[in-house]
Amino acid sequence: EDQVTQSPEALRLQEGESSSLNCSYTVSGLRGLFWYRQDPGKGPEFLFTLYSAGEEKEKERLKATLTKKESFLHITAPKPEDSATYLCAVQAGAGTALIFGKGTTLSVSS
Amino acid sequence: DAGVTQSPTHLIKTRGQQVTLRCSPKSGHDTVSWYQQALGQGPQFIFQYYEEEERQRGNFPDRFSGHQFPNYSSELNVNALLLGDSALYLCASSSTGLAYEQYFGPGTRLTVT
Repeated sequence: EDQVTQSPEALRLQEGESSSLNCSYTVSGLRGLFWYRQDPGKGPEFLFTLYSAGEEKEKERLKATLTKKESFLHITAPKPEDSATYLCAVQAGAGTALIFGKGTTLSVSS
Repeated sequence: DAGVTQSPTHLIKTRGQQVTLRCSPKSGHDTVSWYQQALGQGPQFIFQYYEEEERQRGNFPDRFSGHQFPNYSSELNVNALLLGDSALYLCASSSTGLAYEQYFGPGTRLTVT
């Protein structure tokens, strides 16, 4: 069964304290791995798509990387406005449905 | 460029009732997917519509049904509501001509009492 696991469930950082979020996956035939940001009570906001091991993408203070078993979302010098839940999702096999992890809730304090 | 829109924003229903949620996709997108997100959980795939047909379905009962119109907008219908149907319902749109990126709307918060 296709599965996505995110860790940690929650992460508290001080402003400027860099860290990484992990997304491990077990799927048959990965087509793509996606990172989203979700603010409370709102829909997920698309951040990145990664398609193959070794691929990296960056946006402002965020950098996503992909290996054959997991993906990391690196946050460099975070600010309070980076506080949100970060969701990882995969597409696998013949379908295009997204399979999500439970997310990591990030809190950044000043 | 309008993004994905959903209506209504919030909805309160009673057990056993029926509900219809609506979604308009992002301009240029022709595929609509629906997800259910319970509190503290990641979104769960309900089904996907393309060319007015259900193309893929997740593990949800037949009480959940949908429709896509010629203008690509979509509806999600839930019959015989249960307390466990209380959740944030998310619509996502994508384009079959590009990669598989899905863009989400703001969601409809459904509360069943």
